[in-house]
Amino acid sequence: AQSVTQLDSHVSVSEGTPVLLRCNYSSSYSPSLFWYVQHPNKGLQLLLKYTSAATLVKGINGFEAEFKKSETSFHLTKPSAHMSDAAEYFCVVSGGRSSASKIIFGSGTRLSIRP
Amino acid sequence: DVKVTQSSRYLVKRTGEKVFLECVQDMDHENMFWYRQDPGLGLRLIYFSYDVKMKEKGDIPEGYSVSREKKERFSLILESASTNQTSMYLCASSLGGGGNQPQHFGDGTRLSIL
Repeated sequence: AQSVTQLDSHVSVSEGTPVLLRCNYSSSYSPSLFWYVQHPNKGLQLLLKYTSAATLVKGINGFEAEFKKSETSFHLTKPSAHMSDAAEYFCVVSGGRSSASKIIFGSGTRLSIRP
Repeated sequence: DVKVTQSSRYLVKRTGEKVFLECVQDMDHENMFWYRQDPGLGLRLIYFSYDVKMKEKGDIPEGYSVSREKKERFSLILESASTNQTSMYLCASSLGGGGNQPQHFGDGTRLSIL
């Protein structure tokens, strides 16, 4: 069985300060993990993915995430927030070779950026 | 870049109507998905297709059907629309194989059933 928990429904940071969006997962298999971003009235866009290569994954727009198997976490970080980062972020887990229909989405974290 | 195009951004229909939502992808992806997105409930899978004419029910298939006659096109059908089907509908596609491939999403169709 698989599950994913995004620990914060809403995160607010000041522009120029670090961003941390937290995600914990569980999976019976070696998981594939993804972060997606959704801007208002848009579809989801892939930020980064982990598929059992390097544990520190770099994505687009300065975001990165670290896969920590011992903590079953895949937190998303960015050193310095920009106003354009304000959006909804989704952590996603799948069981690697399991069917694509077994992809599980987190409930989302809304990121707000204060000027 | 992969492009997933949903035919309508906004749609208003009446209760009992048969509603068609269309999705086209241009990268020869085997997998295609229909999700609905509701506040507080996240994304929920309605149907998934892994090949032409092949489909699997997702978590909430009741009241919906799908059609995939060509590889690039995946249609979602509301057989008899009801107000509880008012939602944002997202289509996605991915390469074949398991769930380790990233999904590419369309911009969504915001459907209102009156």
